[in-house]
Amino acid sequence: SQKIEQNSEALNIQEGKTATLTCNYTNYSPAYLQWYRQDPGRGPVFLLLIRENEKEKRKERLKVTFDTTLKQSLFHITASQPADSATYLCALRNQAGTALIFGKGTTLSVSS
Amino acid sequence: GAVVSQHPSRVICKSGTSVKIECRSLDFQATTMFWYRQFPKQSLMLMATSNEGSKATYEQGVEKDKFLINHASLTLSTLTVTSAHPEDSSFYICSARVQENTEAFFGQGTRLTVV
Repeated sequence: SQKIEQNSEALNIQEGKTATLTCNYTNYSPAYLQWYRQDPGRGPVFLLLIRENEKEKRKERLKVTFDTTLKQSLFHITASQPADSATYLCALRNQAGTALIFGKGTTLSVSS
Repeated sequence: GAVVSQHPSRVICKSGTSVKIECRSLDFQATTMFWYRQFPKQSLMLMATSNEGSKATYEQGVEKDKFLINHASLTLSTLTVTSAHPEDSSFYICSARVQENTEAFFGQGTRLTVV
């Protein structure tokens, strides 16, 4: 069955540094991959979607890469700020193509 | 972006009672909505896909008679947790998409506590 792994449960970095989060998946070849941000006690908020024919996508300080050979996506936040502290989730469409399934998430803490 | 509203945000109920959670798409029509459950420090687990005008599709291991889903209109899906037990205490979140193969919009979530 499909499996999504976000290797680090927690990542602590200093303000101004670049945060890099990893998402690996197995037993599946998704047409696209998505990243979401979730704050405590809230629903996830969409950040970026990258399709299988795209190597990289950017939005302001965010950058996502998608390597379908390695079955991996990297999510970067440059010039990180304390306000970026949250849990970041990667998501793929399920094999039925009907819904999103999520990784466990990486909780990022940016200290000033 | 599109807005999905979920109500209530918190509910406490007694064991054995039923609780209804509403999920509304405020500025778009959603033929399909999704219900997730999230335990502390765990990922969102898909419970079911709610289809307007037809039966919901439940994921393996989710009891359809316990978690009743009704999608009576293009903007409203409801999840009813029947005969709730303390182990049903969790964070329930709904989502919807404006179009297929695009991003999902999530409700604020409902924290259910069964005592």
